[in-house]
Amino acid sequence: SAVISQKPSRDICQRGTSLTIQCQVDSQVTMMFWYRQQPGQSLTLIATANQGSEATYESGFVIDKFPISRPNLTFSTLTVSNMSPEDSSIYLCSAGLRGAEQYFGPGTRLTVT
Amino acid sequence: GQQLNQSPQSMFIQEGEDVSMNCTSSSIFNTWLWYKQEPGEGPVLLIALYKAGELTSNGRLTAQFGITRKDSFLNISASIPSDVGIYFCAGQETSYDKVIFGPGTSLSVIP
Repeated sequence: SAVISQKPSRDICQRGTSLTIQCQVDSQVTMMFWYRQQPGQSLTLIATANQGSEATYESGFVIDKFPISRPNLTFSTLTVSNMSPEDSSIYLCSAGLRGAEQYFGPGTRLTVT
Repeated sequence: GQQLNQSPQSMFIQEGEDVSMNCTSSSIFNTWLWYKQEPGEGPVLLIALYKAGELTSNGRLTAQFGITRKDSFLNISASIPSDVGIYFCAGQETSYDKVIFGPGTSLSVIP
């Protein structure tokens, strides 16, 4: 398994600003993922972040809104840009290990006012 | 796009009872995963299944990869209050596809 940490754990942000979420893994992993989860809902994949290449975004998510960095095999960031109240959600990162198995961080709870 | 269905949507059970929940898809999957998420936490991987018919246990939890490869089951024996949470199934059609998560089954355990 792997231990994943995220910062910040929660934040309240104003409309129009940007927030960068950090994700740290305690071991080197090839694949990292970013998800969004509305309270009481399932997980929606935003993008897959592989070290050394551009992130791959899912339908409905664009790089200008959710730029991702993956500078090395243990770290990734997700920025939520030009935020609106609709961006209020839980943002989760995960690390892909054996096969399809993913290990998740504790999440970042974002409220946009 | 591909979707997973989970049933039941929610369960309220007495402590000590056994729990069964399932997950179905319209297409064949080659991997099934079961996660538990507690309030304020990220999902935690409980069991991973890689072969049709496979039965795998993790303590009081047992999961099975359905022989049709379109479903999976999770059983919890002798439930305890700390079993409370949302249980998500997840599946992957092939190793090149993304992992898809089901809508979850919310479990409440009454002491």
